[in-house]
Amino acid sequence: QQPVQSPQAVILREGEDAVINCSSSKALYSVHWYRQKHGEAPVFLMILLKGGEQKGHEKISASFNEKKQQSSLYLTASQLSYSGTYFCGTDGGAQKLVFGQGTRLTINP
Amino acid sequence: DADVTQTPRNRITKTGKRIMLECSQTKGHDRMYWYRQDPGLGLQLIYYSFDVKDINKGEISDGYSVSRQAQAKFSLSLESAIPNQTALYFCATSDPDSAELNEQFFGPGTRLTVL
Repeated sequence: QQPVQSPQAVILREGEDAVINCSSSKALYSVHWYRQKHGEAPVFLMILLKGGEQKGHEKISASFNEKKQQSSLYLTASQLSYSGTYFCGTDGGAQKLVFGQGTRLTINP
Repeated sequence: DADVTQTPRNRITKTGKRIMLECSQTKGHDRMYWYRQDPGLGLQLIYYSFDVKDINKGEISDGYSVSRQAQAKFSLSLESAIPNQTALYFCATSDPDSAELNEQFFGPGTRLTVL
């Protein structure tokens, strides 16, 4: 079953923070996060494994609460280059991903 | 050169036609995937293959078939195209033994229009 992402869209000014949430109704083994810019292919950001380990990538970090079957992506001091659509992909153990519907992030100067 | 390539990049076809989309990779990955992307629906898995002899249906396999000709090649066929198969199609590869555990690498996509 497709995970649910919230919010569906966010508009920020450069330098502001954002949080994107991903919630699943199924038990999860891992959560992937990808970013897709308009007209391009999705690009991998990070993976979080069962165990709740928080990871970071420059000013982008994420957490995974396996008990709540939720993951959150944190974007700190957003830059114009962060604009795009963010997808979470969840793995329930079959080693294939089910992607959320995406969250469109717009960063304005 | 791109690690994952897709051909064609754009295709317009008519209802009822058979069409094949091709994916090639030079990453040496055993795992390959075909996804369909529609606006507002994210990426939906059509078929996936964990090695040359392994083919599995995804969430939306009806109306599609695949062929894994070699480790590097994975083709998607629409036997009789219909307008609601108009979408952006992505191929992806992964390596479960990589440091980033099954990170997926996507090709540039094929935009398919069925009239």
